[in-house]
Amino acid sequence: QSVLTQPPSTSGAPGQTVTISCSGSSSNIGSNTVNWYQHLPGTAPKLLIYSNNQRPSGVPDRFSGSKSGTSVSLAISGLQSEDEADYYCAVWDDSLNGRVFGGGTKLTVL
Amino acid sequence: QVQLHQSGPGLVRPSQTLSLTCAISGDSVSSNTAAWNWIRQSPSRGLEWLGRTYYRSKWFNNYALSVKSRISINPDTSTNQISLQLNSVTPEDTAVYYCAREGSRETLGNWGQGTLVTVSS
Repeated sequence: QSVLTQPPSTSGAPGQTVTISCSGSSSNIGSNTVNWYQHLPGTAPKLLIYSNNQRPSGVPDRFSGSKSGTSVSLAISGLQSEDEADYYCAVWDDSLNGRVFGGGTKLTVL
Repeated sequence: QVQLHQSGPGLVRPSQTLSLTCAISGDSVSSNTAAWNWIRQSPSRGLEWLGRTYYRSKWFNNYALSVKSRISINPDTSTNQISLQLNSVTPEDTAVYYCAREGSRETLGNWGQGTLVTVSS
């Protein structure tokens, strides 16, 4: 049972927009910034979004992040087949004094 | 460019100690602006942060509560590496283990290649 709650799965057709939510609490999302990671099978996770809504260089602007209170969201627009992956939110938890990951959301491109 | 290269056995017997190393190139383990993390991934648990070590005039560690009694992460400044030791392993510790560099904004921007560790007799 993860401290951060994500839906286990989501799906969308090519070209559509999907949104993945991540819900936490005042000790983590409510007081710290959130990063998102994309994980393709057989590869190392990749930083996708940092500081709630910033994209590292090389990440397409189809990926965007937002935050409201103790929840964050990752939106992927113009869905492409190569976006099929697992997505994780991550944040520092002040109560646990450690980093926590969401349970992960498996995105299927139909 | 920072690169991380992991090494260690892929099979560990139950109750034994899991030991992995992560060799760092392109940065120093003693950097005052980085931290060095271990994370694991399994189908049942997803990504799970295990702990980190970092240097800020002295060495610090943080560990996940789930493994705190069994884990040790240590820097080796002579070889510019970090190591992971996880004691008293069970089949539940079977996972792909990654080391990762933490930079600014708590970002895990550089990852090792991953090591599949199976706990089995």
